[in-house]
Amino acid sequence: NAGVMQNPRHLVRRRGQEARLRCSPMKGHSHVYWYRQLPEEGLKFMVYLQKENIIDESGMPKERFSAEFPKEGPSILRIQQVVRGDSAAYFCASSPGSFTNEQFFGPGTRLTVL
Amino acid sequence: DAKTTQPTSMDCAEGRAANLPCNHSTISGNEYVYWYRQIHSQGPQYIIHGLKNNETNEMASLIITEDRKSSTLILPHATLRDTAVYYCIVTKAAGNKLTFGGGTRVLVKP
Repeated sequence: NAGVMQNPRHLVRRRGQEARLRCSPMKGHSHVYWYRQLPEEGLKFMVYLQKENIIDESGMPKERFSAEFPKEGPSILRIQQVVRGDSAAYFCASSPGSFTNEQFFGPGTRLTVL
Repeated sequence: DAKTTQPTSMDCAEGRAANLPCNHSTISGNEYVYWYRQIHSQGPQYIIHGLKNNETNEMASLIITEDRKSSTLILPHATLRDTAVYYCIVTKAAGNKLTFGGGTRVLVKP
């Protein structure tokens, strides 16, 4: 059973460009979470999605950031008009969403904004 | 979610048990204690969780005090690969975001 997959693993963008980060949850998992880890800081929750629904986006910046988890395909975290402060590691986690809050994390996408 | 307090760092000798404390004095009755760790630059890894009874799995043991205001994660025989930041998180059962604090930076030394 493959784990959570994220791609790309490393992404370099220039200021003003768009970044699209993809996350494929573990097989059978319908809950996806996105977290961000700024350099030398802790992980911060961004958004929680179930298939086709955003459940909790309390950690998402109000502008330029969006997330989706379509019926088919991976979850996408999209950052428009990136700025240097968006440089961070972005981790996706999935969960079966049943009786446990055990979340399985992917390897992360390291975004560098030049 | 209840706030947790952990020591900033600790060292442990290879082969010895590592005991990681966590205080969560404001925990409520329906909140669980979860432990995760993050080995350098990797995604966090689930270790163990419990409600009020002690728990053990292939990775670690979790001891929760009777009043549930604190807990201890025990790595029975620490190896160099256990060097990581360990996070104690208190959260409700399912479908919740994880709130990571500063964690405890554990360095296992030969």
